[in-house]
Amino acid sequence: QLQLQESGPGLLKPSETLSLTCAISDDSIRSTYYHWGWIRQTPGKGLEWIGSVSYSGGTSYNPSLTSRATMFVDTSKSQFSLKLTSVTAADTSVYYCARQHPYYYGSGSPYWYFDLWGRGTLVTVSS
Amino acid sequence: EIVMTQSPVTLSVSPGERATLSCRASQRIGINLAWYQQRPGQSPRLLIHGASTRATGIPARFSGSGSGTEFTLTISSLQSEDFAVYYCHQYNDWPPYTFGQGTKLEIK
Repeated sequence: QLQLQESGPGLLKPSETLSLTCAISDDSIRSTYYHWGWIRQTPGKGLEWIGSVSYSGGTSYNPSLTSRATMFVDTSKSQFSLKLTSVTAADTSVYYCARQHPYYYGSGSPYWYFDLWGRGTLVTVSS
Repeated sequence: EIVMTQSPVTLSVSPGERATLSCRASQRIGINLAWYQQRPGQSPRLLIHGASTRATGIPARFSGSGSGTEFTLTISSLQSEDFAVYYCHQYNDWPPYTFGQGTKLEIK
């Protein structure tokens, strides 16, 4: 079965840039069928969607993070990535990457739900 | 932003009994709702999408219902591995996609 694996630094200082990568175990990232997303989880705020990216590089971000978040796809390496600038302690979370699966009602635009998640990686922001 | 509210926060049920979890959306979302199970130390696992469609490999004791703003996840006969935290997620209106705060299902 497809697996997703997050990687990146576990510890950052305030104001630094967080860079995370999600490696995909097969070449499905080259398919136009799926989108790919990042979600983070904290005990206080629960699950928070950060953003999503398509095969073609189209992106959508949470309005609360759009000024700091950037996502991109590298199909040659079967991975996609997240950069989050100017981190603070509030960005301390477990970060998950996930696959988005489309559902079509007739011929309209699809609706996208998260059907497969990585194991997550803890990122701590502390001076 | 659509706010998802789950109730109760904690539900205590005995093994073998039925558990009913609720999720309410602040706006109508059709049936664009998913449920996830998260066991301690693990990532969320998709149980239900389209409000009532079980994901691949999910046992039949899990069922979802509802539309519009009110949704329910029912686990018909609780097994030991079912005690976990459950989240609902709306994907009808974005950005942003939003999640409920979770219901912890614990052993009574």
